[in-house]
Amino acid sequence: QQQVKQSPQSLIVQKGGISIINCAYENTAFDYFPWYQQFPGKGPALLIAIRPDVSEKKEGRFTISFNKSAKQFSLHIMDSQPGDSATYFCAASASGGYNKLIFGAGTRLAVHP
Amino acid sequence: GAGVSQSPSNKVTEKGKDVELRCDPISGHTALYWYRQSLGQGLEFLIYFQGNSAPDKSGLPSDRFSAERTGGSVSTLTIQRTQQEDSAVYLCASTTSGGSVGQFFGPGTRLTVL
Repeated sequence: QQQVKQSPQSLIVQKGGISIINCAYENTAFDYFPWYQQFPGKGPALLIAIRPDVSEKKEGRFTISFNKSAKQFSLHIMDSQPGDSATYFCAASASGGYNKLIFGAGTRLAVHP
Repeated sequence: GAGVSQSPSNKVTEKGKDVELRCDPISGHTALYWYRQSLGQGLEFLIYFQGNSAPDKSGLPSDRFSAERTGGSVSTLTIQRTQQEDSAVYLCASTTSGGSVGQFFGPGTRLTVL
């Protein structure tokens, strides 16, 4: 019940395309859902996060869509750029982000020019 | 500093030796977290501190692992009698009281046990 399932494992997108990464969870106590971006040799960087009281949150080219009834959330990267090539992790936490993060397995995104 | 810092950035040790990893959280952040990232297990939680106390140690894999935090700031993660399966990147994160700003990660310490 603590797991967060993430797909796909890897993704190749052409420059200018839309990258979509999906996550699903079981634990209904989760109330905070962040996405992290990680470049090789670096720590994960917080990209965008959502709470279950909204169905969508947009920051620049990055959008989270959240479906509470299906217990699913997804990251959309619009107008994908080669600089977006990285590993993306979804996560979930209870207590609004103060509690431990449970991470998905990660998606390796490659954006080809 | 502006972000979470960790030291050393790389540590190579021999099986059976003890190691200490250090984390300096963002100034003013009251909560501090340790995670481990390995190829086989992904990103997994180890322990979290609120101030100097650790309300959740559920992720520590064995009694060879321990952590402390002093002065509500710096934290050290100690691994005793290291094993090859301890090889991983150890990540530290911090956040403010309530966690509303999210958890911010340091660059990690890459531990290699020979």
